[in-house]
Amino acid sequence: SQKIEQNSEALNIQEGKTATLTCNYTNYSPAYLQWYRQDPGRGPVFLLLIRENEKEKRKERLKVTFDTTLKQSLFHITASQPADSATYLCALPSNYIPTFGRGTSLIVHP
Amino acid sequence: NAGVTQTPKFRVLKTGQSMTLLCAQDMNHEYMYWYRQDPGMGLRLIHYSVGEGTTAKGEVPDGYNVSRLKKQNFLLGLESAAPSQTSVYFCASSYEQGMSETQYFGPGTRLLVL
Repeated sequence: SQKIEQNSEALNIQEGKTATLTCNYTNYSPAYLQWYRQDPGRGPVFLLLIRENEKEKRKERLKVTFDTTLKQSLFHITASQPADSATYLCALPSNYIPTFGRGTSLIVHP
Repeated sequence: NAGVTQTPKFRVLKTGQSMTLLCAQDMNHEYMYWYRQDPGMGLRLIHYSVGEGTTAKGEVPDGYNVSRLKKQNFLLGLESAAPSQTSVYFCASSYEQGMSETQYFGPGTRLLVL
């Protein structure tokens, strides 16, 4: 069966450091992968999309990589800030419908 | 634009009661989705719609019904609520299905079934 795995343990880092979150998947051959941010009590908000033929995508302090051989995407936040604290979800299309991972909580300490 | 709105924000039901959750979007999106989110389970798709008058089952459709009578609205119904349906429900919409299409989420409805 198709599976999306994100680290269930919270990632704690110091302000100013780079946060790296991982999304692994099995039994998928996704044409693209998306990353969303979710704050407590709110709905997810789209951040970035990366296609299968793209190795890397950047948006301001965010960077996403996509390795279809390893079946893995890495999500980086450089120069992290306490305001970056949230849960980050990756999503892959399954029969054209986005299927979400369980998310990883990021906590940035001042 | 309000984006995606959900009504109500919070509701408490007794087992066996029925209710309807309303989702509205003002972005003229074709596709709409209902998810539930439970601790440790992530977002799971309940039902979705690819256009006015159409609906389809998602991953966890049992116990729920939906209707898309108008393009801008997507209703989620619980005919006989059960404690297992205690969850946070999110509605989302997108312009198209498939590649490159971002989903826009509503703020969620918290449902407690006693």
